[in-house]
Amino acid sequence: NAGVTQTPKFRVLKTGQSMTLLCAQDMNHEYMYWYRQDPGMGLRLIHYSVGEGTTAKGEVPDGYNVSRLKKQNFLLGLESAAPSQTSVYFCASSYPSRNIQGFGQPQHFGDGTRLSIL
Amino acid sequence: LAKTTQPISMDSYEGQEVNITCSHNNIATNDYITWYQQFPSQGPRFIIQGYKTKVTNEVASLFIPADRKSSTLSLPRVSLSDTAVYYCLVGEGKLTFGGGTRVLVKP
Repeated sequence: NAGVTQTPKFRVLKTGQSMTLLCAQDMNHEYMYWYRQDPGMGLRLIHYSVGEGTTAKGEVPDGYNVSRLKKQNFLLGLESAAPSQTSVYFCASSYPSRNIQGFGQPQHFGDGTRLSIL
Repeated sequence: LAKTTQPISMDSYEGQEVNITCSHNNIATNDYITWYQQFPSQGPRFIIQGYKTKVTNEVASLFIPADRKSSTLSLPRVSLSDTAVYYCLVGEGKLTFGGGTRVLVKP
């Protein structure tokens, strides 16, 4: 099983350029997430999705957009890249919560995309 | 959303037991406690999850007292490869990864 696969693994952009990060999971998970991790810091949630066709904002959504057109894929877009968006981006997926709403189920992470914006 | 507090770093030696305590004073009734491990240049990896009392798997044990306001991750007989950052997460709301605990295992 591939689990969670992120594409690309590395990318260098110039300020103002746009790009899309792709996350694919083969575990039939309903929930998917995008995080960013800056050096020496924990992960911060950018956007998440609780099912195909639905997305919601996380802790740090500004400057990013997402789409979940297919259950297995979750795309993260940067419309106009800024140096402050230089970071490592992690995608994760999980089963739905045990409760009506929530995110307590263990998440499965990809290996990250290292993005540098000059 | 329950906030968690855990030590910034811990040092240990090979073969010792490592215990990391996480405080979560405002844990909600429905919240589970989840621990992740992260190696450099990798995504976090689920280690263990529990609701109350004690949970044990092949990797670690999780001790949760009756009031559930804290939890302790126990790593038995650590090796150099256990050097990583360990995150404690609490909640059924949107999960927040804090800074974690950097565990350094020395020879």
